[in-house]
Amino acid sequence: DTGVSQDPRHKITKRGQNVTFRCDPISEHNRLYWYRQTLGQGPEFLTYFQNEAQLEKSRLLSDRFSAERPKGSFSTLEIQRTEQGDSAMYLCASRRQDNYGYTFGSGTRLTVV
Amino acid sequence: AQTVTQSQPEMSVQEAETVTLSCTYDTSESDYYLFWYKQPPSRQMILVIRQEAYKQQNATENRFSVNFQKAAKSFSLKISDSQLGDAAMYFCAYRSGGGATNKLIFGTGTLLAVQP
Repeated sequence: DTGVSQDPRHKITKRGQNVTFRCDPISEHNRLYWYRQTLGQGPEFLTYFQNEAQLEKSRLLSDRFSAERPKGSFSTLEIQRTEQGDSAMYLCASRRQDNYGYTFGSGTRLTVV
Repeated sequence: AQTVTQSQPEMSVQEAETVTLSCTYDTSESDYYLFWYKQPPSRQMILVIRQEAYKQQNATENRFSVNFQKAAKSFSLKISDSQLGDAAMYFCAYRSGGGATNKLIFGTGTLLAVQP
């Protein structure tokens, strides 16, 4: 069990650029979640995958956001035409279907300048 | 929609003392789970303790225990014999028992400082 890995840890980008984040869940975890956490707030749900299927998307996930989980393994979260309001910590979590425990990654901190 | 409220943005405790962090939630569901997560400065969220709503007995994990008041929709965390390593942001979270997603709904957090 190597935990949930997220890459990169930090990303600074100029407004209008596209960025992509990667999450590698624990290998036997078929459920994967993306959350966004802004300063002083708790994490907010963005989207959920069960295996390769994206089963729920939050209203927070605007058209500029897209997430994939090809083959039910790693997942990517892409933000197109970044805005300053996208600056946040993006957290990934995974869990097994029969388990209550969510394992979180260390997050990717995005700063849009 | 379910909501989670943490009314204490910051708390402070002396080392070896006891501190209680408050959490209230709102739901119309009868089947759900409640969690306390710890987020140290390294930012990785760590599960502290979990409570199933159908269980009347309060959960306990070593120095951490909860006071679960289902009728009042209250779920407080008590940390006994506080240690310097307990300093972190603490989040209360709710999860529906049913449904397909089982996403966590978090409160805004309480920043706990432990004074030596």
